[in-house]
Amino acid sequence: KAGVTQTPRYLIKTRGQQVTLSCSPISGHRSVSWYQQTPGQGLQFLFEYFSETQRNKGNFPGRFSGRQFSNSRSEMNVSTLELGDSALYLCASSLLGQGIGYGYTFGSGTRLTVV
Amino acid sequence: GQQLNQSPQSMFIQEGEDVSMNCTSSSIFNTWLWYKQDPGEGPVLLIALYKAGELTSNGRLTAQFGITRKDSFLNISASIPSDVGIYFCAGHSGQGGKLIFGQGTELSVKP
Repeated sequence: KAGVTQTPRYLIKTRGQQVTLSCSPISGHRSVSWYQQTPGQGLQFLFEYFSETQRNKGNFPGRFSGRQFSNSRSEMNVSTLELGDSALYLCASSLLGQGIGYGYTFGSGTRLTVV
Repeated sequence: GQQLNQSPQSMFIQEGEDVSMNCTSSSIFNTWLWYKQDPGEGPVLLIALYKAGELTSNGRLTAQFGITRKDSFLNISASIPSDVGIYFCAGHSGQGGKLIFGQGTELSVKP
C-alpha cells in the first residue's frame, strides 16, 4: 500500500511569507502527527490531528497551525516565516487502535528553507 | 522542547564490529521505539518495545526496555556498511500520537 506522502519535497520561502505543507496519510489511517527536525533541536513534536480535531500540541508559537480534512489528509501552515523555521518537516500517520510502534509511519518530509 | 538523552552522539566503527547506544529519560514511558533515518528521508522504525524489561531482536538488532521504564538501549551486531545512518530513540507516554525523540546517534561504518 502507498506510504505517507508529503508535498512538496522542497520549498524555498522568504522571511515574512507564509507556507502550507501537505501530508496524505496511509489509507485508513486517521491520526496525523507533525514534527519539525533541525540540527540544533532535533525532532520536535508540533501537533497531532485525529478525526479533524487537534488532539495534542507541542510547544511552538501560534504561527504554526494545522488542520485535518475529512479524508484524513492534513496540512500545516507557518505564517510570518523566520529564518529559524528552516527545517525538515515530517508527518507521521497511524491507525487508531494499533500500537504506537509498528503502525506509526513517517513520510519523507518537506525541506523548508527560509531566506 | 522535551528530549531524551541519547548517547553517544556519533560513532566511527570498523565493519564487523558491534555497536551499542542508549537513551535515558527523567520521565517514564509506556513504549520505547528505535528508528533509523537516512539522508533526505523520514525515520524508519527498527524495533518497538512495549513492556518494561522486554528484550526484542530484529535480525542483527537487539533492543531492551529498561526496568525503570526510563531507559532503553539498542545493540547492532556485526555492523555492515548499510548500517550507516542516524539512529533515534523515541518514547511514548500514551498521549495519542506524540513521540519524544533523542538527539540521535550518527553511525559511520568503515569497510
